[in-house]
Amino acid sequence: QKEVEQDPGPLSVPEGAIVSLNCTYSNSAFQYFMWYRQYSRKGPELLMYTYSSGNKEDGRFTAQVDKSSKYISLFIRDSQPSDSATYLCAMTKGRSNAGNMLTFGGGTRLMVKP
Amino acid sequence: DTAVSQTPKYLVTQMGNDKSIKCEQNLGHDTMYWYKQDSKKFLKIMFSYNNKELIINETVPNRFSPKSPDKAHLNLHINSLELGDSAVYFCASSKSTGRWGNEQFFGPGTRLTVL
Repeated sequence: QKEVEQDPGPLSVPEGAIVSLNCTYSNSAFQYFMWYRQYSRKGPELLMYTYSSGNKEDGRFTAQVDKSSKYISLFIRDSQPSDSATYLCAMTKGRSNAGNMLTFGGGTRLMVKP
Repeated sequence: DTAVSQTPKYLVTQMGNDKSIKCEQNLGHDTMYWYKQDSKKFLKIMFSYNNKELIINETVPNRFSPKSPDKAHLNLHINSLELGDSAVYFCASSKSTGRWGNEQFFGPGTRLTVL
């Protein structure tokens, strides 16, 4: 069993829909949680970064972390065709210079149809 | 004004050859990484360097040797290439003294195909 699990999809939604993307994890030591967006044949691009439990909102994107359930979510409101990409969750125990590495989920492929 | 750049973008080579991939970042970051993304899209850390010092080496075969000549560069040399090395290799960087200390920025990737 992988440390971070993510449904690979594809998830297909109509334009304007609210999208919910999720990850579960098994290591309770994870404290920092991230969402990356990766377009086809491009590098991952950091979307959201949260620390510990709670919500964070940035424009149409909301990230939620529930450490008690070991569950994180990314919500996209008013989804657009340009949101079509693979979304990767990632998490880590601490700072990079202390040897802490990011552990990624396998990504969920999202398709937003016009 | 590219933040993290990699060369080459595509690399096609024969089994047994030796090849190098170069990475440069102009963000002023002090930590750099190499990741491997396989055909199923899993991103796996290979190496991490902080201020030119190796801090993560994740069970990567000895055929892979990273080299960091300075904080802005991290190159990856691969000896005796094997079919299983075919993947997309991403370089990334972060600033360890920032607010979070692990916000990583990725390069565009190098697609390696071993024939």
